Amino acid sequence: GIQVEQSPPDLILQEGANSTLRCNFSDSVNNLQWFHQNPWGQLINLFYIPSGTKQNGRLSATTVATERYSLLYISSSQTTDSGVYFCAVGQGGSEKLVFGKGTKLTVNP
Amino acid sequence: DGGITQSPKYLFRKEGQNVTLSCEQNLNHDAMYWYRQDPGQGLRLIYYSQIVNDFQKGDIAEGYSVSREKKESFPLTVTSAQKNPTAFYLCASSYGRSTEAFFGQGTRLTVV
Repeated sequence: GIQVEQSPPDLILQEGANSTLRCNFSDSVNNLQWFHQNPWGQLINLFYIPSGTKQNGRLSATTVATERYSLLYISSSQTTDSGVYFCAVGQGGSEKLVFGKGTKLTVNP
Repeated sequence: DGGITQSPKYLFRKEGQNVTLSCEQNLNHDAMYWYRQDPGQGLRLIYYSQIVNDFQKGDIAEGYSVSREKKESFPLTVTSAQKNPTAFYLCASSYGRSTEAFFGQGTRLTVV
């Protein structure tokens, strides 16, 4: 099955810093989502981005489907950005989302 | 408000007992999913359903059962056959293949 690798596994930042999270996948996809898991465990939808670039406030994402990767950019990080960021992909003909193991982000004041 | 509601938030089970986790959605989504998350890990698919009265096994279905009698509801039963049921369980729904999925708040199951 498709493999999803996220990097880095852990990231520690000072408030105000910028960061880039990466998601590599091993096969073509027609669904790609970025989620933020908050300290209570809930998965918050950040982007649905099977291709192209999107921006939402301080966050933006780019997926280059032909090269099988996606990037999540966080600018001017805040302590509330702390948590685990997951990338999940889906392939044509399949219902399921396959998740990476996540990037744990800690933003210190 | 539209959304996905999971209950209970915390559940404790004695060894040998079956327990049922509830998942309800009012988003008019056709597809519903159950995922399991273990500490420090990503999510793994247990079961999914594309339409009422139909469901398919995911990657880790052994020891679990589901039903889909109504579009809005997709309960998950963790049976005594599940060897290591302590985990965080997340329910999701979407309009179907290749569409955006949304998640409930999760149920944390602990075997005591």
